[in-house]
Amino acid sequence: QQQVKQSPQSLIVQKGGISIINCAYENTAFDYFPWYQQFPGKGPALLIAIRPDVSEKKEGRFTISFNKSAKQFSLHIMDSQPGDSATYFCAASNSGTYKYIFGTGTRLKVLA
Amino acid sequence: DVKVTQSSRYLVKRTGEKVFLECVQDMDHENMFWYRQDPGLGLRLIYFSYDVKMKEKGDIPEGYSVSREKKERFSLILESASTNQTSMYLCASSAPPGQGFSYNEQFFGPGTRLTVL
Repeated sequence: QQQVKQSPQSLIVQKGGISIINCAYENTAFDYFPWYQQFPGKGPALLIAIRPDVSEKKEGRFTISFNKSAKQFSLHIMDSQPGDSATYFCAASNSGTYKYIFGTGTRLKVLA
Repeated sequence: DVKVTQSSRYLVKRTGEKVFLECVQDMDHENMFWYRQDPGLGLRLIYFSYDVKMKEKGDIPEGYSVSREKKERFSLILESASTNQTSMYLCASSAPPGQGFSYNEQFFGPGTRLTVL
């Protein structure tokens, strides 16, 4: 019940295309869903996050879609660029613990 | 900017050695975390600390211990390193909500790639 399932494991997208990464969770106590971006040789950094009181959050080319009833959320990267090539992790947290449960990660490669 | 630093970027140790990984954060955060990152397994929590001298086991604490004597410093200890502890180790810190950061945001260091031979 504590798992966050992330797919796909890897993704190759052409420049200008849309990248979509999906995550699913079981624990309905989770109330914060961040996405982290990790470039090679660096630690992960917060990209965008959503609370379950909204169904969508957009920041520039990055959008989180959240489906509370299905217990799923996804990251959409519009107009994907080679500079977006990185590993993306979804995560879930509940306000009582400050701990994250991370997904297994998606390695995105955007071809020029 | 929040800065989380880790003492080494790369470390090579022998089986059975005692290994110390050090992490320092400069933003007075209460919470600090140690994760290991392995391909296909994502980030798995080893231990976390919510205050000085306070610690809680994460999902994979076996073979590890931690120490937090000062608020800014959180150490991960491998008492007797084994080859299955070869991994990337990431330290993170966070502040409770209301201290000017996004809710629960964790700030990560650059990682230490540990190889145990």
